[in-house]
Amino acid sequence: EPEVTQTPSHQVTQMGQEVILRCVPISNHLYFYWYRQILGQKVEFLVSFYNNEISEKSEIFDDQFSVERPDGSNFTLKIRSTKLEDSAMYFCASSRRRGGYNEQFFGPGTRLTVL
Amino acid sequence: DAKTTQPPSMDCAEGRAANLPCNHSTISGNEYVYWYRQIHSQGPQYIIHGLKNNETNEMASLIITEDRKSSTLILPHATLRDTAVYYCIVRVVSGETSGSRLTFGEGTQLTVNP
Repeated sequence: EPEVTQTPSHQVTQMGQEVILRCVPISNHLYFYWYRQILGQKVEFLVSFYNNEISEKSEIFDDQFSVERPDGSNFTLKIRSTKLEDSAMYFCASSRRRGGYNEQFFGPGTRLTVL
Repeated sequence: DAKTTQPPSMDCAEGRAANLPCNHSTISGNEYVYWYRQIHSQGPQYIIHGLKNNETNEMASLIITEDRKSSTLILPHATLRDTAVYYCIVRVVSGETSGSRLTFGEGTQLTVNP
């Protein structure tokens, strides 16, 4: 069964450093998402992406964040200058369609630890 | 999207049915009820969704009341692997222009006991 994959599974970085989290969505999916979950808190939407542009973003997704689909398979989330409060699990998801009845399929997540 | 209310936790014996309730009294006519679950820090997993009719798939059944103000997710024969946080999410469905985000609440921590 196709699945969303994410790398790395765990990333440790120093405050102020840039990190890139990588995701490979399911191959025939067209819509891509990033969510995050701070330890012990709710899963929060960050951004959705379609046709090489952001289609929706939350208030969390500020100028420190960017997303890109650099090739036909990868979808990345970049945090330019990490802060302690960016420590969280980051989940990538994909769906065949955007709205409607679409199911979002989630990856296993990347645990980001900012020191 | 309409607000949902779920109990914070529930227990269920292995092999028995787990019935997880969700209140969504402000649901509107174009909103579907979705259920996802999250097994300990893994990515959320889609379970089922419905509008007004009861739905069943290989994972679960979804019972929606006639007034659509509440629903129940049923896991017919719960196993230890069903221990997870279960999220009830109400989303507008109006074609491709509807919102894309999933808004997760606190969910219900279901613990299946041996």
